[in-house]
Amino acid sequence: EPEVTQTPSHQVTQMGQEVILRCVPISNHLYFYWYRQILGQKVEFLVSFYNNEISEKSEIFDDQFSVERPDGSNFTLKIRSTKLEDSAMYFCASSVGNEQFFGPGTRLTVL
Amino acid sequence: EDQVTQSPEALRLQEGESSSLNCSYTVSGLRGLFWYRQDPGKGPEFLFTLYSAGEEKEKERLKATLTKKESFLHITAPKPEDSATYLCAVQDSGAGSYQLTFGKGTKLSVIP
Repeated sequence: EPEVTQTPSHQVTQMGQEVILRCVPISNHLYFYWYRQILGQKVEFLVSFYNNEISEKSEIFDDQFSVERPDGSNFTLKIRSTKLEDSAMYFCASSVGNEQFFGPGTRLTVL
Repeated sequence: EDQVTQSPEALRLQEGESSSLNCSYTVSGLRGLFWYRQDPGKGPEFLFTLYSAGEEKEKERLKATLTKKESFLHITAPKPEDSATYLCAVQDSGAGSYQLTFGKGTKLSVIP
């Protein structure tokens, strides 16, 4: 069964450093998303991406964040200068219709 | 602003003891209501989508129902492997996007 994959599973970085989280969505899906979940809190929407451009973003998704689909398979989330409060699980999701399928997540720890 | 409230926050059941989880929501217009299962340290796993009041979906021991203000996830004769956090999420048709707004979840523990 096709699934969303994410790398790395765990990323540790120093405050102020740039990180890139990678995702491979399900191959025939057209919509791509990033969500985050701070430990013990709810899953929060960051950004949606369709037809090679951002279709919607939340207030969390400020100028420090960017997304890219560099080729036909990968979808990346870049955080330019990480802050302590960026520590969270980051989930990629993809969909062809309404149902979104999530990857296993990347745990980002900012020290 | 869309809101999703789930109750209870945590639920402990004996194996075989049926129960229901509640999800109350507020949206300007409902595109869809979704149930996910999340195991510790993992991503949400899709279970059901409900689109209109009165709709029901079933999968093994789980049954999801929808009214205009809330959804229930009924668990019949649960087994220990049903232990997980169950998440409810809504898509707002008024937002013009497919973003999901999640509740905090109900952590279910099924004791053998």
